Amino acid sequence: AQKVTQAQTEISVVEKEDVTLDCVYETRDTTYYLFWYKQPPSGELVFLIRRNSFDEQNEISGRYSWNFQKSTSSFNFTITASQVVDSAVYFCALSEPWNSGNTPLVFGKGTRLSVIA
Amino acid sequence: GAGVSQSPSNKVTEKGKDVELRCDPISGHTALYWYRQSLGQGLEFLIYFQGNSAPDKSGLPSDRFSAERTGGSVSTLTIQRTQQEDSAVYLCASSLAQGLGTGELFFGEGSRLTVL
Repeated sequence: AQKVTQAQTEISVVEKEDVTLDCVYETRDTTYYLFWYKQPPSGELVFLIRRNSFDEQNEISGRYSWNFQKSTSSFNFTITASQVVDSAVYFCALSEPWNSGNTPLVFGKGTRLSVIA
Repeated sequence: GAGVSQSPSNKVTEKGKDVELRCDPISGHTALYWYRQSLGQGLEFLIYFQGNSAPDKSGLPSDRFSAERTGGSVSTLTIQRTQQEDSAVYLCASSLAQGLGTGELFFGEGSRLTVL
């Protein structure tokens, strides 16, 4: 069964600090997809990244970086030099391939990040 | 519009009444998803459509919940005899079918349901 665990419920940091959001997943499949979404106070979820299980290369996009480690079933997300605009709830999600081609994402419970000026 | 559109944005109803929530996906997106987000909880999967068919209804919490999609476009989520525990934000998302695996989901702003 699929499961995503985000152990950190809430994190507070001071602006310009680096912060890492943890995500641990469970799956029986060897092929799967991992995602991060951001939900700002406005409420609409915004896609950040999708990573397939065959690509363990870490990815960097501006101040955002992702560390995918299959050995520990983790897909952690780091924000460097955090800004107030980064304040949001961040969700990690997992999807497995399916005959019909699309599968629903299983989401973690989210981590609420507050960046204080 | 360019994004996923949901209506109503807010709905307050009395316990026992039926409600309908509507989702208009991005044009051309064949996959459509309904999720529920309760206070302090993550996103709970409800149902998924590929075209007009629903291969996965496993997340519907009870037989009071049903959903349909017509013309491969608009979807309606219906909750009959609403209960207070149904109060939540109901989120709709759509995506392009991309063969195996799930592409990026585009979410609407949600319909906030409050059952008094």
